[in-house]
Amino acid sequence: EAQVTQNPRYLITVTGKKLTVTCSQNMNHEYMSWYRQDPGLGLRQIYYSMNVEVTDKGDVPEGYKVSRKEKRNFPLILESPSPNQTSLYFCASSARQGPYSPLHFGNGTRLTVT
Amino acid sequence: KQEVTQIPAALSVPEGENLVLNCSFTDSAIYNLQWFRQDPGKGLTSLLLIQSSQREQTSGRLNASLDKSSGRSTLYIAASQPGDSATYLCAVNGDAGNNRKLIWGLGTSLAVNP
Repeated sequence: EAQVTQNPRYLITVTGKKLTVTCSQNMNHEYMSWYRQDPGLGLRQIYYSMNVEVTDKGDVPEGYKVSRKEKRNFPLILESPSPNQTSLYFCASSARQGPYSPLHFGNGTRLTVT
Repeated sequence: KQEVTQIPAALSVPEGENLVLNCSFTDSAIYNLQWFRQDPGKGLTSLLLIQSSQREQTSGRLNASLDKSSGRSTLYIAASQPGDSATYLCAVNGDAGNNRKLIWGLGTSLAVNP
C-alpha cells in the first residue's frame, strides 16, 4: 500500500531534549516536505526537499533541522525543543518536483513540549 | 501575499443534503488548487486537484470548481452522509519554482447528522 509513515504518532517531551520525528514514503517520490499545524494559523511549511541531499527552508524553519540521505526518508530533528514547538506535524511527499501532482500526507505526529 | 479564506468555518447539515463549501484566494496567479479532507487522528487526504487551466474536477459525489479570475473555488458534496463528517481544507499552489509549498485555508468543519 502506497503511504507516508510518520513515527511516533504522539510524543511528550521536555524543553531542551533532542528528538527526531521520522518520515518514510514507499512511493519513490522525489519531493518531501514537513508542515506544522496550529489552531488559527493553519498549516505552515517548515522544510522541504526536492531530492536526495537537496533540502531548503520553508516559512517557519527556526528550531528545526532535516536531512535527506535516502530518497524514502526525511526525518525532522528538533535539537533543543521549546514549548512553542508544541504542534501537530505532518510529513508529505509528491511524485514530481513541479506543482502538477497532489501531495500525499502522513497521519501526523502530535508533539507536546513541556 | 497569497491568502486563502474558507467560509463557513463550521457547518452542520442533516444527512442527504447537497452542500457547498467555499474557498477564496487573493492572488489569481496560481498553478493549481487542491481540496483535502482531515479526519481527527488521521492525516490529510487529497480529494481533488484542479489545475489552473481547468474549471472543475469530479470524483464520485464530489465536484470542485475553480474560477481563477474571481479567486474562488467551491467543493460541492452531493447527498451528504455521516461519513462525510470531517474538516475540509483547500490549498493553493502559486509557487513558480519547484517547491510544492501550499498556502492553506483554515478549513470548514463539517458535521453530517443522521
